[in-house]
Amino acid sequence: DIQMIQSPSSLSASVGDKVTITCRSSQGISNYLAWYQQKPGKVPKLLIYNGFTLQSGVPSRFSGSGSGTDFTLTISSLQPEDVATYYCQKYYSVPLTFGGGTKVEI
Amino acid sequence: EVLLLESGGGLVQPGGSLRLSCEASGFTFSNYAMTWVRQAPGKGLEWVAVINGGGTAMYYADSVKGRFTISRDNFRNTLYLQMNSLRAEDTAIYYCTKGGAVHWSYSPTGVAWGQGTLVTASS
Repeated sequence: DIQMIQSPSSLSASVGDKVTITCRSSQGISNYLAWYQQKPGKVPKLLIYNGFTLQSGVPSRFSGSGSGTDFTLTISSLQPEDVATYYCQKYYSVPLTFGGGTKVEI
Repeated sequence: EVLLLESGGGLVQPGGSLRLSCEASGFTFSNYAMTWVRQAPGKGLEWVAVINGGGTAMYYADSVKGRFTISRDNFRNTLYLQMNSLRAEDTAIYYCTKGGAVHWSYSPTGVAWGQGTLVTASS
């Protein structure tokens, strides 16, 4: 099975900072990767799919890039409401594995 | 508006069974793959099972294969998860999610999420 490894597992940054989270798959998955945001005590929410396509309503400070095995989620200017845990998930094939998550704090 | 409402969670003894339901509204249910995703207390997300829009194909995580069964009733717009031989490690919030297409391949499976239902397997 294809494994999804996220790094770092947690980070702390200041308001306005650029934040980068990476997700690496153990085999190529083309661009069939999604990013989710889960705020504390809340339900996960789809942010980005197909590696870089922003879901409707998601602020433009979020962006995704990558293809094959290496992917990146970037928050261009961190805001207080971005405190959350972020997960990547592949949907190239089953199992539909999630990464371990990255907790973002301010 | 897409709405997903899970029910059926609760406390069950190890070895016991539960059936979760997810009632969907706001979209043509049979046109979309659906999944179950769980989250153990303080842990990350774990994909559990997926079913295509027609209910003819389904796949499971190795951790639940042979014990859990995903199914759907497209007339009742309802997704199910039958959970047998429950273990302590199955304790989690279980979310149902809506996919982006009739099949899960090449389409994100977490386009919409329910609020979740808590399953606790403990004596």
